[in-house]
Amino acid sequence: NAGVMQNPRHLVRRRGQEARLRCSPMKGHSHVYWYRQLPEEGLKFMVYLQKENIIDESGMPKERFSAEFPKEGPSILRIQQVVRGDSAAYFCASSPSNPLGQGATLYNEQFFGPGTRLTVL
Amino acid sequence: AQTVTQSQPEMSVQEAETVTLSCTYDTSESDYYLFWYKQPPSRQMILVIRQEAYKQQNATENRFSVNFQKAAKSFSLKISDSQLGDAAMYFCAYRRLAYGQNFVFGPGTRLSVLP
Repeated sequence: NAGVMQNPRHLVRRRGQEARLRCSPMKGHSHVYWYRQLPEEGLKFMVYLQKENIIDESGMPKERFSAEFPKEGPSILRIQQVVRGDSAAYFCASSPSNPLGQGATLYNEQFFGPGTRLTVL
Repeated sequence: AQTVTQSQPEMSVQEAETVTLSCTYDTSESDYYLFWYKQPPSRQMILVIRQEAYKQQNATENRFSVNFQKAAKSFSLKISDSQLGDAAMYFCAYRRLAYGQNFVFGPGTRLSVLP
């Protein structure tokens, strides 16, 4: 059973270009979380998605950043017109659906992918 | 909003010795989860140990144990018999109890293990 997969592992972009980061959750998982880790800092939450829905985007910058998790295929984190400050490691984590229904208290393990390291020149 | 603080940016320990990493957090909730994650140079996030706030007993995983002081909002990690492979960044994290909640991470402590 493959773990959470992210690609590319390393991405280099010039200022003003677009960056697309992909996250394939573990098999059977329908929840995806994206985190950003700036150099020498901890991970910061960006967005939480379920299939075809954005549940919580409170950590997403208001401009240039967007995320989607379509019915088929991986989750995509898209950064338009990248700037040097976007250079960071971007991690996704996935978890399965709650069999007791959304909001019910049940521990859910979240599994992290290996991250994508974005460098903006 | 919840916050997590790690006051030790760097720590070092001699191989086979014991080291304790500190973590404090702030929350108004009474039930939640606390975690320690290890991030080696590969950058993979590896779960070390998890504690449920409603459990009074401190969690242990082999050489790793925690000292959870709920009233003081303190959650330290003790690594016994340190090994060279323990060298990494260690992140303390908080998560609300409800399903589908995101992690709130501290800034991390870089642990060096000296041979």
